[in-house]
Amino acid sequence: DAGITQSPRHKVTETGTPVTLRCHQTENHRYMYWYRQDPGHGLRLIHYSYGVKDTDKGEVSDGYSVSRSKTEDFLLTLESATSSQTSVYFCAISVGSNQPQHFGDGTRLSIL
Amino acid sequence: GENVGLHLPTLSVQEGDNSIINCAYSNSASDYFIWYKQESGKGPQFIIDIRSNMDKRQGQRVTVLLNKTVKHLSLQIAATQPGDSAVYFCAENVVGTYKYIFGTGTRLKVLA
Repeated sequence: DAGITQSPRHKVTETGTPVTLRCHQTENHRYMYWYRQDPGHGLRLIHYSYGVKDTDKGEVSDGYSVSRSKTEDFLLTLESATSSQTSVYFCAISVGSNQPQHFGDGTRLSIL
Repeated sequence: GENVGLHLPTLSVQEGDNSIINCAYSNSASDYFIWYKQESGKGPQFIIDIRSNMDKRQGQRVTVLLNKTVKHLSLQIAATQPGDSAVYFCAENVVGTYKYIFGTGTRLKVLA
């Protein structure tokens, strides 16, 4: 399995609180991604990174920000969590376009 | 994770039979395709990929077929085993882009 660790694995928090999810990789892959997975939808891209300090928005980026200060870590922050952000969040890594993405085991986030 | 599986089409097959899972992809410009397997509580796991210059690719017990004319992808699993029970979904990518489009998936149930 690709060396991807997501933390925390589960989190319950209240509306309006900030939340940060962490993705850590040991593969030295250049590209990292954050997705959310909800019933009735395929994985939807929130943000991605193509290098240290280089990030771009995905299709569902509103309400989320990211940071990548070093190759191995990609952080996803919900500045002020809302109930619509209750979801399972997956981090993925790849060496480039037209290459497989490998996923972590996800973070289940519940916002009450 | 546990969000996967709700409202998904389900394919039930007898253990030992062959399974065929289908996917209609959306973008005629897509030229790279991946099949993933996702078990409950886990992240998507890479199974096999195929590029648009191929019609067929085989792996261990799995075969992917690509029909670009009708934008259709299929995954064949030979001699289906109980451990194959999971949700399977396809992903597509356009060369030079870092965004992947994921299908919603099909649940495969293997009957003993």
